[in-house]
Amino acid sequence: QKEVEQNSGPLSVPEGAIASLNCTYSDRGSQSFFWYRQYSGKSPELIMSIYSNGDKEDGRFTAQLNKASQYVSLLIRDSQPSDSATYLCAVKLGRDSTLTFGKGTMLLVSP
Amino acid sequence: GAVVSQHPSRVICKSGTSVKIECRSLDFQATTMFWYRQFPKQSLMLMATSNEGSKATYEQGVEKDKFLINHASLTLSTLTVTSAHPEDSSFYICSARDRDSTDTQYFGPGTRLTVL
Repeated sequence: QKEVEQNSGPLSVPEGAIASLNCTYSDRGSQSFFWYRQYSGKSPELIMSIYSNGDKEDGRFTAQLNKASQYVSLLIRDSQPSDSATYLCAVKLGRDSTLTFGKGTMLLVSP
Repeated sequence: GAVVSQHPSRVICKSGTSVKIECRSLDFQATTMFWYRQFPKQSLMLMATSNEGSKATYEQGVEKDKFLINHASLTLSTLTVTSAHPEDSSFYICSARDRDSTDTQYFGPGTRLTVL
C-alpha cells in the first residue's frame, strides 16, 4: 500500500525564519513529487514539483528530493504570516498514475 | 496557469435531495478528472477518477450509485450526490490533469455541501 507520511504539526516559526517541511514515502518506484499549499477552507494550490534527486528552487521555496532515502522536503525562506497554511506532500508512481497525498503539515508563522 | 472552476461553491440542501457539482477546466483540456472529499481537519480522500468518454473508476468504499460521475467532454465533469444525507456533508474538490502535461493536477476551488 502506497503511503505518504508527514508530521501533522503545527510547525511554528517566527516571521523571517526558514520553515522546513518533511515528507517520506513508502513506494520506492515513485517518480513524481509535489508540494501543495492549502489554506483553511480552500482547495490545494500547487507550489512545486520535483522529479530528480537534489534541490529545486523557486523564489522563496526550495524542494529537496532524496530517492535513496525516500524523502522529500520543502524549505520556505523568509517565512511570512501569509505562508501559514497546511502543506500537502503528494507522490505519483508515473505520469498517468494517481496522486497519493500525505495528511499535511500545518505551518504557523508568527509576526 | 491552468484554471479549474467548480460550481456551486457552496450548497445547502435538505436530506433526500440530489446535488450536482460541476467541474470545468477553463484553459486546458483534461482527459482525466479526479473527485476528492475532505472532512474537517482530515486529509484529501480520492473518491473517483474519471476519464473523458468512459466510466469513472471509484475508490474502495465509495458507492458509485450514490456518487454519479459524468465526464462527457474534455473540459467538464460532474458529480451528482444522490439522495444526500447529513453524513455526506463535506468539502468536495475536483482536480483535472492537463492532457498536454499529464503529470500535473490542478485543483478547483471546491464545493462545500451541507445536508440538513
